[in-house]
Amino acid sequence: NAGVTQTPKFQVLKTGQSMTLQCAQDMNHNSMYWYRQDPGMGLRLIYYSASEGTTDKGEVPNGYNVSRLNKREFSLRLESAAPSQTSVYFCASSAVQDASYEQYFGPGTRLTVT
Amino acid sequence: SQELEQSPQSLIVQEGKNLTINCTSSKTLYGLYWYKQKYGEGLIFLMMLQKGGEEKSHEKITAKLDEKKQQSSLHITASQPSHAGIYLCGADSGGSGNTPLVFGKGTRLSVIA
Repeated sequence: NAGVTQTPKFQVLKTGQSMTLQCAQDMNHNSMYWYRQDPGMGLRLIYYSASEGTTDKGEVPNGYNVSRLNKREFSLRLESAAPSQTSVYFCASSAVQDASYEQYFGPGTRLTVT
Repeated sequence: SQELEQSPQSLIVQEGKNLTINCTSSKTLYGLYWYKQKYGEGLIFLMMLQKGGEEKSHEKITAKLDEKKQQSSLHITASQPSHAGIYLCGADSGGSGNTPLVFGKGTRLSVIA
């Protein structure tokens, strides 16, 4: 049972380049999330998917797109990377269990945009 | 929108000392989650509180949710180097579950010998 996996772990991009961050979970969770973590800002929600086939914007969606490929996978795409998108990106998933909605987090992707 | 304020922002304690981290919400808390993040790693779930006055413990960490369900505290007894990291509180923003968590900005804990 791998939980939530993310690839890549590290990435360096030049301004204007594009890339896709991959996330997969093997816990049969309905909901999946993408957050970014910046120093002094805590975790901020980029996009989330409450169920397969649906996606919604979070607090900071500009410059990102997402795809809920199937129940397991939720990808985050940067079409034209900017230095302001330098951050640590976390994917998470959750499901209702015993009235708790604990979110399980992946190990993160460290992205630097130069 | 719901906001969570954590205090203190950072904390340095001597090994063996007790400490408390607070999390205050701008709205009533339907579910309050505590996570720990080791430097450079992902978030690890510690515990979740739902009912006013609820208290949970795991090893040397105790979390409480006040009766009014707008503030939670995390208390560590006899701190150890393994307790070092960033502690984040998160709240169920929708109240119905399976909605994104809103997080505080975190408290960075260092434990020195």
